[in-house]
Amino acid sequence: DGGITQSPKYLFRKEGQNVTLSCEQNLNHDAMYWYRQDPGQGLRLIYYSQIVNDFQKGDIAEGYSVSREKKESFPLTVTSAQKNPTAFYLCASSITGWNSPLHFGNGTRLTVT
Amino acid sequence: AQKVTQAQTEISVVEKEDVTLDCVYETRDTTYYLFWYKQPPSGELVFLIRRNSFDEQNEISGRYSWNFQKSTSSFNFTITASQVVDSAVYFCALSGRGRSSNTGKLIFGQGTTLQVKP
Repeated sequence: DGGITQSPKYLFRKEGQNVTLSCEQNLNHDAMYWYRQDPGQGLRLIYYSQIVNDFQKGDIAEGYSVSREKKESFPLTVTSAQKNPTAFYLCASSITGWNSPLHFGNGTRLTVT
Repeated sequence: AQKVTQAQTEISVVEKEDVTLDCVYETRDTTYYLFWYKQPPSGELVFLIRRNSFDEQNEISGRYSWNFQKSTSSFNFTITASQVVDSAVYFCALSGRGRSSNTGKLIFGQGTTLQVKP
């Protein structure tokens, strides 16, 4: 079955450490996205990529970095510069197009202490 | 600027009651799409419906129905005869064809947590 796999489901890190969240899709989608979810704030876009080797900042990109070396993969690195990294992170993909529905992974809950 | 408001933070109903989740949006785009997603406890957002700005017909899918009214900039979602399995967080989202087309950027509302009690 096609879908999006995010790993791990839960991640714990010490403050000051960088951490990378994995996102893999086998839907053959060109576009991929990273969202952050905080209680009461809905989903906010961190980064998105429309095609391999290209990506753009979303609304809250500071303290995050991404790469898109393969169509299937869009890893997100939460750096030590991110002031409030504890959150639920969701990866999504879609066919290219501003009106395409997004397909989401199960998310990674990151806790930084 | 685009904005989506879901004023209801939490709703609690008893099974078999009907429930309506409100969604109000703001956009300057004349062409836009509205979406509803369901987020069960597992965490994954599940796509429910997409509606474009030129189609104001209401849609029904089983126990789910959607009421789109451009005059009030609303896209409300009704669940008829609610069931415990409907318990989830529901998000309304907006995508507009502004200056940057083909971005697929969705603006999400804050979400409404629906609890259906047996």
